[in-house]
Amino acid sequence: EVQLVESGGGLVKPGGSLRFSCEASGFTFNYAWMSWVRQTPGRGLEWVGRIKSKTDGGTVDYAAPVRGRFTISRDDSKNTLYLQISSLKAEDTGVYYCVIDKSGHYFDYWGQGSLVTVSS
Amino acid sequence: QSALTQPRSVSGSPGQSVTISCTGSSSDVGGYDHVSWYQQHPGKAPKRVIHDVTRRPSGVPDRFSGSKSGNTASLTISGLQAEDEADYYCSSYAGSETWVIFGGGTKLTVL
Repeated sequence: EVQLVESGGGLVKPGGSLRFSCEASGFTFNYAWMSWVRQTPGRGLEWVGRIKSKTDGGTVDYAAPVRGRFTISRDDSKNTLYLQISSLKAEDTGVYYCVIDKSGHYFDYWGQGSLVTVSS
Repeated sequence: QSALTQPRSVSGSPGQSVTISCTGSSSDVGGYDHVSWYQQHPGKAPKRVIHDVTRRPSGVPDRFSGSKSGNTASLTISGLQAEDEADYYCSSYAGSETWVIFGGGTKLTVL
């Protein structure tokens, strides 16, 4: 059974930083492209970025609105995906989902999501 | 790139059919056969119900079907059931610069 379990959310002050983790199981993680999708009150569902498998180059792509503040990485030895966010803004408040990305064509499985609230 | 356009809400009675539209442009919906639909119940993660315009994952009832004409994709749910009441989101591949865009979501109410 595919499982994606996010962690790392919480209450953060504007300007702060945060790192989400996503522990994966039930599939061959090192061959998977993985994305982060967020759901915010202001922008609804929004793809924020993706990391390809190392066999496909391991490259990372970001959505334009988050480029420069968001960093996606993976540790295939731990079957874990990461999302680091810096200079947090109120509009980053929302639920962040880890998803299996089928070559950018669709999202296969979703984690349960992790909530971050950016507020002073 | 703007989000795909979906109606805010649709409704139908049990047993009826409803169709949810998703309008984009030639740069996304109209340019690729990679439109997908996701169902989201309150407090839950989205779940894929259609991908690549018409393909249905195993376990999704065949009451769910997808189609596309030009820059508009559609999700049709026939034989509505109470458990279909949820939010539905479309998304489309949009090329190797933008990658993926979502619609704003449609709330389906089963009367």
